[in-house]
Amino acid sequence: DAGVIQSPRHEVTEMGQEVTLRCKPISGHDYLFWYRQTMMRGLELLIYFNNNVPIDDSGMPEDRFSAKMPNASFSTLKIQPSEPRDSAVYFCASSPGRYNEKLFFGSGTQLSVL
Amino acid sequence: AQSVTQPDIHITVSEGASLELRCNYSYGATPYLFWYVQSPGQGLQLLLKYFSGDTLVQGIKGFEAEFKRSQSSFNLRKPSVHWSDAAEYFCAVCSGAGSYQLTFGKGTKLSVIP
Repeated sequence: DAGVIQSPRHEVTEMGQEVTLRCKPISGHDYLFWYRQTMMRGLELLIYFNNNVPIDDSGMPEDRFSAKMPNASFSTLKIQPSEPRDSAVYFCASSPGRYNEKLFFGSGTQLSVL
Repeated sequence: AQSVTQPDIHITVSEGASLELRCNYSYGATPYLFWYVQSPGQGLQLLLKYFSGDTLVQGIKGFEAEFKRSQSSFNLRKPSVHWSDAAEYFCAVCSGAGSYQLTFGKGTKLSVIP
């Protein structure tokens, strides 16, 4: 298995632009998570899905952030409009049935908003 | 609310020396505890986990961790560090089966001197 695949690896954009981050989870995993990592706040859970349905989005910082999972093999995290304080590494992770068994992380997307 | 504290931001050890990374958690009941490792430019990888039973847990890459309820600690240890162990290490806590809220510590960066 190729693992969790995220794209792009790096994204540099200007303030106000729309940013879309993409994730392909491991086949057969029912849970998908989006995390954000910054020096100040560490790793934060933004949102997670179960069987393509958003379950908890309480970690999404603002309405500028949205996430979708149109099918079991694809998810997006969108920021519109982007701001410099959104600069961070965004990780996608997937898990088989029971979340607290094991998380498999992607390599992350390094986002820089200028 | 659950929380995790990793008191050491950065630790440097010589190759072949022993290692102990500290982790303290705050949670009212018996927690589920994890240690993850993050190599530069990569996502997190699970080293080991504690759910119940034997308080000394063995993980991958020769790591082990000991759960001490009286001290609210879950310290990670390795008897002899290899240069390839240089990475960032994250302790995490989950409130239990069926919970999907994994709270991470801020991480400890490990440097290894040849």
